Amino acid sequence: DAGVTQSPTHLIKTRGQHVTLRCSPISGHKSVSWYQQVLGQGPQFIFQYYEKEERGRGNFPDRFSARQFPNYSSELNVNALLLGDSALYLCASSLGDIGEQYFGPGTRLTVT
Amino acid sequence: DAKTTQPPSMDCAEGRAANLPCNHSTISGNEYVYWYRQIHSQGPQYIIHGLKNNETNEMASLIITEDRKSSTLILPHATLRDTAVYYCIVRYTSGTYKYIFGTGTRLKVLA
Repeated sequence: DAGVTQSPTHLIKTRGQHVTLRCSPISGHKSVSWYQQVLGQGPQFIFQYYEKEERGRGNFPDRFSARQFPNYSSELNVNALLLGDSALYLCASSLGDIGEQYFGPGTRLTVT
Repeated sequence: DAKTTQPPSMDCAEGRAANLPCNHSTISGNEYVYWYRQIHSQGPQYIIHGLKNNETNEMASLIITEDRKSSTLILPHATLRDTAVYYCIVRYTSGTYKYIFGTGTRLKVLA
């Protein structure tokens, strides 16, 4: 079975632009979580979605938003990009809203 | 938010047991402890989790103290491929679901 997939792999954007990152969970998993990992730090929780509803939100500004689709895939949107948004964005899926999470390879976002 | 704390780095000889500690002194009764590891900039890999009892799987063992304020991940026979950053996570449920990664321990397995 395929693991968690994310697209694109790498992305370069300019300050002020908008970006959409995509995630496809493992088949049968109904929960998707998003994390931001800045170089040299641990992943920081952004959102969790379960059955298309937001179940958790980390300490990120309203420029960050997400949604989950009926097929359980998910998008993370970031508006008005700042240099500090440059990071590895990780998506993780799980069967339910709790339990072990399986991470994708991440999307490396560079904001210039 | 409450945090987990871990030593920043540890070394372990190949073939020996690696014992990675984690403090989570503000953990609540229904909150689980999870361990993940991350190799280079790949996505973190799930290792093990537990609530109160010690747990073991094919990768590792998890020892949780009786007061649940700390835990230890044990890799029984470390190999070079176990070199990674190991994260201890407590799943907090203060109104919303949050997964708070610790600072991580960079484990280096030495040949």
